[in-house]
Amino acid sequence: DIQMTQSPSSLSASVGDSVTITCQASQDIINYLNWYQQKPGKAPKLLIYDASNLQTGVPSRFSGSGSGTDFTFTISSLQPEDIATYFCQQYDNVPLTFGGGTKVDIK
Amino acid sequence: QVQLVQSGAEVKKPGASVKVSCTTSGYRFTSYSIHWVRQAPGQRPEWVGWINPGNGNTKYSQRFQGRTTFTTDTAASAAYMEVNSLRSEDTAVYYCARHSGTWYKLVYWGQGSLVTVSS
Repeated sequence: DIQMTQSPSSLSASVGDSVTITCQASQDIINYLNWYQQKPGKAPKLLIYDASNLQTGVPSRFSGSGSGTDFTFTISSLQPEDIATYFCQQYDNVPLTFGGGTKVDIK
Repeated sequence: QVQLVQSGAEVKKPGASVKVSCTTSGYRFTSYSIHWVRQAPGQRPEWVGWINPGNGNTKYSQRFQGRTTFTTDTAASAAYMEVNSLRSEDTAVYYCARHSGTWYKLVYWGQGSLVTVSS
């Protein structure tokens, strides 16, 4: 199985700050990577697919980049409604596998 | 609009079985695969597998193979996941999800079904 390692596991930032999360795959996954947002008690919500494509309806302050084994997810200007846990997920191989998550809150 | 509505919470004893349902609406049921994902408390999501309601084909994560069965009822536009020989480590929220466009874009999700395994 492909292992996905995310960092940091948690972070605290102020409203308006730029926030960056990294995700590393245990092998080359080209750009076969999704990013999800999950709020407590809710299902994950797809934000980014193909590593850098914004899902329809998702605010443009969310972005993704990377290829191969190293990927980055950025919130350009953190908003209160962005408080959530963020997961990366690869789909190069089955089983689909998720990163350990990054919990984002407001300082 | 696309909706996936799951069955309610269940409490089971170790060794028992559970069957979670996912009733869909708002689209042609046989045109999209249904994925199942589980998430233990405070843990990352785990992909369990998928079923193609159009032809009944399934794919299971090896971790769940042999103890998990996916089925569908096309007349009811519903998908089911049954897990046998439950153990405490199976305590989790189980989600069904549907892709949009390409198979890997899990855009539509059920609300989740909490399964608690406890003696």
